[in-house]
Amino acid sequence: SQQGEEDPQALSIQEGENATMNCSYKTSINNLQWYRQNSGRGLVHLILIRSNEREKHSGRLRVTLDTSKKSSSLLITASRAADTASYFCATDKGNEKLTFGTGTRLTIIP
Amino acid sequence: DGGITQSPKYLFRKEGQNVTLSCEQNLNHDAMYWYRQDPGQGLRLIYYSQIVNDFQKGDIAEGYSVSREKKESFPLTVTSAQKNPTAFYLCASTGRFYGYTFGSGTRLTVV
Repeated sequence: SQQGEEDPQALSIQEGENATMNCSYKTSINNLQWYRQNSGRGLVHLILIRSNEREKHSGRLRVTLDTSKKSSSLLITASRAADTASYFCATDKGNEKLTFGTGTRLTIIP
Repeated sequence: DGGITQSPKYLFRKEGQNVTLSCEQNLNHDAMYWYRQDPGQGLRLIYYSQIVNDFQKGDIAEGYSVSREKKESFPLTVTSAQKNPTAFYLCASTGRFYGYTFGSGTRLTVV
């Protein structure tokens, strides 16, 4: 079953612009994680935010979590061509078993 | 250099044939997972193991089998009972309270 749903499904922006993608989920969580997947490759862990946290930063990444709305957002600032990839949110209900969303395909136009 | 190794990268299966996908990690992680990814889709959990000699079914376990005889290894067998096995298979592992580490995947095609 898909716990998370990303929005939009696809996003194209100019290099240097900021990219924002959103994730909604259905049940209570212990933490929420974001992953990046380049075409035909495995997923790479980007950032983890716990249910008692509201915002977290890592380099050009900013993640927010609103547990009352059961939603999260991932902001990538000053985008680069190398950021072109699919981005997935994943939720952990506390059993270390992640449920992934359907992903946002991000294209950065040089 | 720690990580997860999946092999082979590409695998072709004939009708009625069982095939086994390898997943090995040297991260000393207790938990390991197998996911299936179809084109343009998210990941669906097949099986997971949180300790040696124990594993649990995920959301789409039918037609698959696993074993966990060693902490480092979690092979997945795609049996002939899996009628639509063509997909990208991803193995992952995790230590506690951290994100997953993924392998580079095996692309399985039925011929």
